Amino acid sequence: QSVLTQPPSVSGAPGQRVTISCTGSTSNIGAGYDVYWYQQLPGTAPKLLINGNSSRPSGVPDRFSGSKSGTSASLAITGLQAEDEADYYCQSYDSSLSGPWVFGGGTKLTVL
Amino acid sequence: QVTLRESGPALVKPTQTLTLTCTFSGFSLRTSGMCVSWIRQPPGKALEWLARIDWDDDKYYNTPLKTRLIISKDSSKNQVVLTMTNMDPVDTATYYCARTTGGQPGVPYFYYYMDVWGKGTTVTVSS
Repeated sequence: QSVLTQPPSVSGAPGQRVTISCTGSTSNIGAGYDVYWYQQLPGTAPKLLINGNSSRPSGVPDRFSGSKSGTSASLAITGLQAEDEADYYCQSYDSSLSGPWVFGGGTKLTVL
Repeated sequence: QVTLRESGPALVKPTQTLTLTCTFSGFSLRTSGMCVSWIRQPPGKALEWLARIDWDDDKYYNTPLKTRLIISKDSSKNQVVLTMTNMDPVDTATYYCARTTGGQPGVPYFYYYMDVWGKGTTVTVSS
């Protein structure tokens, strides 16, 4: 059971917008710690997608955006493309005995 | 170009100790703000952060696994080593190392993130 809760799966048609939620608590996201998002394409290593809640590293398309509010964070993907089909993980710092750095359970994005 | 490569045994027996090496290039662990983390992923499951070592030799461990993990570095060889004792079949996973950085000077240690990952090495624990 992950400290950060994500929906197991989301789906959308090409061109649509999807969002993936990441729900934490007052020992991680709610304490003000930043949220990071990673994309893991099938059979590959994770890749940093969003850092510092909403910043995109160089090379990440602006179709990907992140936000944070209270004890939750969200990843939004607009103009969905077939190559976006992947697993997505949120990550943050946790000050409880579960940490210090924790990941969400991951969300499988299916492009219909 | 920053690259990391994990190496180690593909198969270990229960109760044995696992030793993994991360060999990297394109950055130095002698540089302020540079760190290396280890993360694992059991088959079909989520990522789990394991340990991190910083340029100044600060070390951080996954709290529930702390008694089983040791992380060390050899900055002259650009290598980071992770040992995990008392291996069990539930430790079967792909193990990744990743460069970890805060992005800019003065960032608190808890705001660091894993910006470049190795391809991972698969470890199976079985008798």
